[in-house]
Amino acid sequence: EAGVTQSPTHLIKTRGQQATLRCSPISGHTSVYWYQQALGLGLQFLLWYDEGEERNRGNFPPRFSGRQFPNYSSELNVNALELEDSALYLCASSLTRDTEAFFGQGTRLTVV
Amino acid sequence: GIQVEQSPPDLILQEGANSTLRCNFSDSVNNLQWFHQNPWGQLINLFYIPSGTKQNGRLSATTVATERYSLLYISSSQTTDSGVYFCAVESSGSARQLTFGSGTQLTVLP
Repeated sequence: EAGVTQSPTHLIKTRGQQATLRCSPISGHTSVYWYQQALGLGLQFLLWYDEGEERNRGNFPPRFSGRQFPNYSSELNVNALELEDSALYLCASSLTRDTEAFFGQGTRLTVV
Repeated sequence: GIQVEQSPPDLILQEGANSTLRCNFSDSVNNLQWFHQNPWGQLINLFYIPSGTKQNGRLSATTVATERYSLLYISSSQTTDSGVYFCAVESSGSARQLTFGSGTQLTVLP
């Protein structure tokens, strides 16, 4: 059974551009979570989507947004990129009724 | 919000040694997970253990929810055990938000 898959693996963008990161959950999982792991800041919660709706949001500015599609895959969009957005972005999924989260391999975003 | 503290921050062992990693948290939790982050950044699930004791091969974990701590035991360590170990908790009412500790960097020497 395939795990959580993320694309692309690496992404290089220029300051001010937009980045789009993608995540496919484990088959049967309806909840998707996004986390940021920036150097020196640890792992921080970004967003939780379930059944197509945003259910919870971490302490990040509005230029971090996303959506969940009918097939439960998800996109994370980061607008007006800043140098400090450079980080590893991890996606996780779980069953709606369950809280155990399983993570993908991450997308490493570099803003230059 | 909930505070999560992991200790020790760094641990260096010889292959074959045993170790205990600790995670303290400041509030009651719905979820507690232990992860191993591999060199490529992926978080590998080790245990889902909001309470009780579990074992998986050379690894075992115990969470004492009433005293707000969890322990991860690694026995007969191998060089492939090297990496960062994270404890993550979801506090009651935090709507699926996992709060991570700062991790324990484990190095196992051959």
